[in-house]
Amino acid sequence: AQRVTQPEKLLSVFKGAPVELKCNYSYSGSPELFWYVQYSRQRLQLLLRHISRESIKGFTADLNKGETSFHLKKPFAQEEDSAMYYCALKPGGGADGLTFGKGTHLIIQP
Amino acid sequence: KAGVTQTPRYLIKTRGQQVTLSCSPISGHRSVSWYQQTPGQGLQFLFEYFSETQRNKGNFPGRFSGRQFSNSRSEMNVSTLELGDSALYLCASSPGTVRNTEAFFGQGTRLTVV
Repeated sequence: AQRVTQPEKLLSVFKGAPVELKCNYSYSGSPELFWYVQYSRQRLQLLLRHISRESIKGFTADLNKGETSFHLKKPFAQEEDSAMYYCALKPGGGADGLTFGKGTHLIIQP
Repeated sequence: KAGVTQTPRYLIKTRGQQVTLSCSPISGHRSVSWYQQTPGQGLQFLFEYFSETQRNKGNFPGRFSGRQFSNSRSEMNVSTLELGDSALYLCASSPGTVRNTEAFFGQGTRLTVV
């Protein structure tokens, strides 16, 4: 069975500092990887997915199949980035639900 | 376009009762998935419906069931409620095709079992 691990429950950085939220996964096939974000009192929403290879709100994530990682990065953190971030995996082929990590609470200090 | 709508937002039930939660997906989306979110276990996949058929199921007991109607609206039912069923239940809809699997989430139904 697949698994997603986010080792940090809480990550606190200062505004303007670089941010890296770690995500490791285990899955024998070729998965789809996602980052979801939940801002305070808002619903869970997609931030980015590995197949689109785009930058959203300054965040990027590269799928490293050798290290089975999909870390989320942003060079300069902003206060509005404070939120819960979830890494999620969907088995290749699309015919299964998302497996989520436990989430990382990112706090950006002024 | 309207987002995913879940009703009710909050529910309080007694152990042993049953409960039905409702989810209206985004117009045009044929896939509806359900997730349970708890502080201890995080977000866990319950099941997915596509065109009125259950396509996938997570590792939950048979007390958890669901269905999908021809208009893609979905309901989830939990019978013989236990205290451990207290959780936030999230519904997500997506087009459901291999090429487009982006899931859009509702705000959830907070179920408290007393």
